[in-house]
Amino acid sequence: DAEITQSPRHKITETGRQVTLACHQTWNHNNMFWYRQDLGHGLRLIHYSYGVQDTNKGEVSDGYSVSRSNTEDLPLTLESAASSQTSVYFCASSETGAWVSTDTQYFGPGTRLTVL
Amino acid sequence: QKEVEQNSGPLSVPEGAIASLNCTYSDRGSQSFFWYRQYSGKSPELIMFIYSNGDKEDGRFTAQLNKASQYVSLLIRDSQPSDSATYLCAVLNQAGTALIFGKGTTLSVSS
Repeated sequence: DAEITQSPRHKITETGRQVTLACHQTWNHNNMFWYRQDLGHGLRLIHYSYGVQDTNKGEVSDGYSVSRSNTEDLPLTLESAASSQTSVYFCASSETGAWVSTDTQYFGPGTRLTVL
Repeated sequence: QKEVEQNSGPLSVPEGAIASLNCTYSDRGSQSFFWYRQYSGKSPELIMFIYSNGDKEDGRFTAQLNKASQYVSLLIRDSQPSDSATYLCAVLNQAGTALIFGKGTTLSVSS
């Protein structure tokens, strides 16, 4: 069955370290998204991609970067981790090459990141 | 900053009752609206979307949209304890580039 996976599921790191969170989907979806979820803030969009070599900044992109070299993967990199980046990170994907009003986003299981 | 507002709850209803979840949004140009359910410690899952004014029914769930009032709601009939979760309202922005999520309403259904 097609799916979307994230790794690692839990990560503890130290302030200033570079961290990369992996997202891999086998749906063959063009659109991929990264969100963070914090108590009191809900889900906030970090970066998104509509296809290979396409990346776009979301609402809270500072301190994060992504690259899209193939359809299946969209890794999220924290260049220099900060305590404010402690959060649960969700990757999502959807089918079409451009947003469609009825498009369904499928979410991965999430990565819980703690920055000490 | 475009916003999506939801009461955080918790909303408590007895088993078998109707649960009513509400959401307002600020972007008048928004065209598509989504309801996601999220169990504690799990990822969000889509339960309904709506883009036309009026009601849309799917099983025990009914989404209602009123674009003039910038209001979207979700009704859950015959609520079950398994419906206990956080319900996230999401609105597609006018540019069609991103979903804006509300903070979610926690629903508790007691047996």
